[in-house]
Amino acid sequence: AQKITQTQPGMFVQEKEAVTLDCTYDTSDQSYGLFWYKQPSSGEMIFLIYQGSYDEQNATEGRYSLNFQKARKSANLVISASQLGDSAMYFCAMIVDNAGNMLTFGGGTRLMVKP
Amino acid sequence: GAVVSQHPSWVICKSGTSVKIECRSLDFQATTMFWYRQFPKQSLMLMATSNEGSKATYEQGVEKDKFLINHASLTLSTLTVTSAHPEDSSFYICSASRYRVASGRRHEQFFGPGTRLTVL
Repeated sequence: AQKITQTQPGMFVQEKEAVTLDCTYDTSDQSYGLFWYKQPSSGEMIFLIYQGSYDEQNATEGRYSLNFQKARKSANLVISASQLGDSAMYFCAMIVDNAGNMLTFGGGTRLMVKP
Repeated sequence: GAVVSQHPSWVICKSGTSVKIECRSLDFQATTMFWYRQFPKQSLMLMATSNEGSKATYEQGVEKDKFLINHASLTLSTLTVTSAHPEDSSFYICSASRYRVASGRRHEQFFGPGTRLTVL
C-alpha cells in the first residue's frame, strides 16, 4: 500500500520569500509519479508540478520546483518569491503504475502568505 | 485541453431526497473516472473508481447502494447520493484520467471544480 505524509498542517511565509512544503512517501514499487496540487478556498484542485520516479532531474514549473530525494523518499515542494495568491491548501499525491491509476493524497498543508 | 466539468457546483437538498452529480470530460475521452469526497479541513478521500461500461469499484467503507455511480460513456460519469442525510454533506470532486504513453505524466488525473452538497 502507498502512503503520503505531509507533516506540516499549517505554515506562514512572508510575501516574496521562498517556502518549502514537506512531503514524504512510502511505496515498494519502483515506477511511480509524484504530484503537487494547490486547492484555494474555491475548492478546485490546481495541478502544480509532477516528478516521475525515473526522472533524473528535479522538476520545475515557473516558481515551483520539486526537491526530489529518491533515497529518502521525499518530494518537497519549493515555492519561490511567495505571493499573496499562493495562500491555499497544498496536497502532495502519488500514483503507482501497478495500482490502477489511483492517486494517494497526503493530509495537506495550509500555506498562509503574510503581506 | 483536458477540462473536466461538474454539475451542479453546489446543491442544497432535504434529508431523504436523492441528488445526482455529473462529471464530464469536455475535450478528451477518459479511460477512468474517479469520485472523491472531502470534508472540511481534510484531504481528498477516494470513494470509487469507474471505467466506462463496467461497474464501479468502491473503496472500503463506501456504501455502493447509497452512492450510485454510472459511467455511461467515455466522457460522462454520474454520482447519485440516494436518500441523502446531513452526514452526507460534503465536497464531492470527480477526476478523469487518460493514458498518455508519450508523456512523463502517465495516468494524470484532471479534476473537476467540485460540488458542494448540503443536506438539511
